Amino acid sequence: DIQMTQSPSSLSASVGDRVIITCRASRPIDSDLNWYQQKPGQAPKLLIYAVSDLQGGVPSRFSGSGSGTHFTLTIASLQPDDFATYYCQQSNTNPPLTFGGGTKVEIK
Amino acid sequence: QVQLQESGPGLVKPSGTLSLTCAVSGGSIISTSWWTWVRQSPGKGLEWIGEIFHAGSTTYNPSLESRVSMSVDKSKNQFSLKLTSVTAADTAVYYCASKDWNHKTNYFDSWGPGTLVTVSS
Repeated sequence: DIQMTQSPSSLSASVGDRVIITCRASRPIDSDLNWYQQKPGQAPKLLIYAVSDLQGGVPSRFSGSGSGTHFTLTIASLQPDDFATYYCQQSNTNPPLTFGGGTKVEIK
Repeated sequence: QVQLQESGPGLVKPSGTLSLTCAVSGGSIISTSWWTWVRQSPGKGLEWIGEIFHAGSTTYNPSLESRVSMSVDKSKNQFSLKLTSVTAADTAVYYCASKDWNHKTNYFDSWGPGTLVTVSS
């Protein structure tokens, strides 16, 4: 299995802050890396696929980068609607498809 | 994007079988999508259970493969999950999702709202 490790597991930030979340794969996964946002009581929502492609309707303050085993999700200017948990997911090796452990973004 | 809705019992007894259905609307189950189940234990992360193509091909998580089966009902535009010999560790919110593709990769772009299944006597 490809293990996906996110850091930090949680962070506190203020509205307007730049936030960076890191995801590391246990072995290279090319560009097969997706990001999801999940709010309490809701299903995950696709934000970014293939490392850096924004899903339709996702604000441009979200961006993704990386390659191989190291990837990042950046929120350029944190907005109130962005407080949530973020998950990375590798789509390179199946089975199994695997997710990171999540990063909870909380209000400072 | 399609809309997905899970349904099924919210309580299953230990050693019993968990059975859930996902209704697909706004699109046909006969498409290029792979129909997927993901679960999330209370307060925990996301675990991919497996997926099925409308023609019947399946791929399961090896950690659950001995207990999982999935099926598609084209006439009802829905797909189903069965998980046997459940224990308290199978208590989770179960999501159905569609896995779609582009020339770069595949991803889960539509999700149901999720349904909580509790394993308890």
